[in-house]
Amino acid sequence: DIQLTQSPSSLSASVGDRVTIACRASQSISSSLNWFQQKPGKAPKLLIYAASNLQSGVPSKFSGSGSGTDFTLTISSLQPEDFATYFCHQDYSIPRTFGGGTKVDIK
Amino acid sequence: EVQLVESGGGLVKPGGSLRLSCAASGFAFSNTWPSWVRQAPGKGLEWVGRIKSKTDGESTDYAAPVKGRFTISRDDSKNMVYLQMDSLKTEDTAVYYCITSWSDWGQGTLVTVSS
Repeated sequence: DIQLTQSPSSLSASVGDRVTIACRASQSISSSLNWFQQKPGKAPKLLIYAASNLQSGVPSKFSGSGSGTDFTLTISSLQPEDFATYFCHQDYSIPRTFGGGTKVDIK
Repeated sequence: EVQLVESGGGLVKPGGSLRLSCAASGFAFSNTWPSWVRQAPGKGLEWVGRIKSKTDGESTDYAAPVKGRFTISRDDSKNMVYLQMDSLKTEDTAVYYCITSWSDWGQGTLVTVSS
């Protein structure tokens, strides 16, 4: 199974900060990496698919990069609505797997 | 508008069974490969399994923790996908989500396995 390791597991940031979350795969997954945002009590929301493609309707402050084993999600200017938990996910192989999550909260 | 509505969650004793249903609407359901994903309280996301479309053989794949206990099926005439859960364990307690593409999730249904 492909393991996805996210870092950090949590971070505190201020409104307006640039935030970067990393996701490392245990083996190459090409660009088969998605990023989700989840708020308490809600289903996850797809932000980025295939490593760097912005999902329709998602603000351009979110961006993704990487391929192979190392990926990043960047939020260019953190806003109050962005405080949430973020998960990476691989759909390269079965079983699909998720990273452990990064909780972004207010400093 | 794409809609996925899960139902069938509830409280069940260890060793018991439960069947979850997911009603899909607003898109061509028969072409999709639905998955189930779960999330234990306060924990991360875990893929449970998927079923391919009829044209792709309707085969299933499962995560190791549920293989042999859970069964995914579909009824394209009703735009429904099901998750039959047998021999339930306390560690199966979670919100279960139905997904037909990674951009389309249901609201989830809570399954609690407890004596």
